[in-house]
Amino acid sequence: NAGVTQTPKFQVLKTGQSMTLQCAQDMNHEYMSWYRQDPGMGLRLIHYSVGAGITDQGEVPNGYNVSRSTTEDFPLRLLSAAPSQTSVYFCASSYQGMRETQYFGPGTRLLVL
Amino acid sequence: GDSVTQMEGPVTLSEEAFLTINCTYTATGYPSLFWYVQYPGEGLQLLLKATKADDKGSNKGFEATYRKETTSFHLEKGSVQVSDSAVYFCALSNNNDMRFGAGTRLTVKP
Repeated sequence: NAGVTQTPKFQVLKTGQSMTLQCAQDMNHEYMSWYRQDPGMGLRLIHYSVGAGITDQGEVPNGYNVSRSTTEDFPLRLLSAAPSQTSVYFCASSYQGMRETQYFGPGTRLLVL
Repeated sequence: GDSVTQMEGPVTLSEEAFLTINCTYTATGYPSLFWYVQYPGEGLQLLLKATKADDKGSNKGFEATYRKETTSFHLEKGSVQVSDSAVYFCALSNNNDMRFGAGTRLTVKP
C-alpha cells in the first residue's frame, strides 16, 4: 500500500493563479481531510469529507474548494492564490472519522508570490 | 471554540534524560486526545491516543494520561534517545473538528 500520496511536493504560484493539490489514498478510508501548517500555529483544518459526495468546512475554509467524487481522491483547489496561502498543506485519511488514527501524506509546500 | 495549548519549545535534552511536554485543552463534551510526531521532511504520525477520561495512551516508551479534572494530556518518556528528535503535536478531536497545538520541537543530543 502506498498510503496517502500528495502531489506536487513543491509549487510556486503567482498571486491570482489557481491550482489543484492532489491527494489520494489506497486504504479504502471513508474520511479524508486537508490541513495547512504554518509556523507557530500547528495544523489547521481546511475541509474534510466523511465519504464520497460529502464534504464540509473546517476551521479555515476561505479561499479553498474541495470535492470528493471517489473514495480514493480528495483534491484541494485554490481559486485565486494569495500570499497568505503560502503554507505546507497536508492531506490525511482515516477509516471512519477524526476520533480514529489519521494517516498523513508527506505534504505539499506552496509558495505564493 | 475548542483549543489546545502545549509547551513552547524548543526543548533540548541529553540522551537518557526524562521528557515531559505539557498539553492542556479547552473543549465541550468528551473529546479524544492525541499526540502526533513529525520527523523532518515528513507528515505527521500518530504516537498515541486516549478516547476517554483516565485512559492512558502509550507507544515506544511514550505515555500520556487523559486527565479530565485538569484538562491535560501531558506527554512523558523516561529515557529519550537521539532518534526521538522531532516535533510533537498535541491534538483533540471533537464533533467533527480537529484542533492541534502549535508543536514542540525536541532535540536530543548524544
